[in-house]
Amino acid sequence: SYVLTQPPSVSVAPGQTARITCGGNNIGSKTVQWYQQKPGQAPVLVVYDDSDRPSGIPERFSGSNSGNTATLTISRVEAGDEADYYCQVWDSTSDHVVFGGGTKLTVL
Amino acid sequence: QVQLQESGPGLVKPSETLSLTCTVSGVSVSSNTYYWTWIRQPPGKGLEWIGYVYDSGSTNYNPFLKSRVTISVDTSKNQFSLKLSSVTAADTAVYYCARVETYSSGYHWGQGTLVTVSS
Repeated sequence: SYVLTQPPSVSVAPGQTARITCGGNNIGSKTVQWYQQKPGQAPVLVVYDDSDRPSGIPERFSGSNSGNTATLTISRVEAGDEADYYCQVWDSTSDHVVFGGGTKLTVL
Repeated sequence: QVQLQESGPGLVKPSETLSLTCTVSGVSVSSNTYYWTWIRQPPGKGLEWIGYVYDSGSTNYNPFLKSRVTISVDTSKNQFSLKLSSVTAADTAVYYCARVETYSSGYHWGQGTLVTVSS
């Protein structure tokens, strides 16, 4: 089955840029979604179709996907961005959905 | 606006069947617009896709759970449901129902419900 690999944690100072990676075999040929999950809450979609943002999501959140790595970039990080972030793909070969293991973003 | 709400027992005994319902408002579950999906999250761990039902009957399940899972639709109540048989403590998790339109559109989630498997 398809595997997505995320770093367990990323730390960044307020105002800086956070980059969270999601590795997978030829992930660039798939579409990637990203979710933000704060403690005790359901996940919220922040990026879909590699780089699109749902309405209401700040422009500070952006995504890219190429080769074997997809990346969620959060610019001008704020304290309120501290959360767990998950990547997700729908593998068209198997028609199964896969999530990455999640990355805890800490704002220093 | 489409909304989802999970309901069901919060405690299930080992070896029994976990049953949850997701009530949908704002759209008919019988439409073929969405894949109606269940996802779970064990305490302190990551997200695990369980499976979906589409177009009132087509289903697809996580291969690791497939032998124990059934997802179905009740169009009269505008609900879809999850049944997971022969549960163990490893099935303790927050269970989310969610909707997604296409491979690339992303999930929109219910608030989730905690199910604990314990005697």
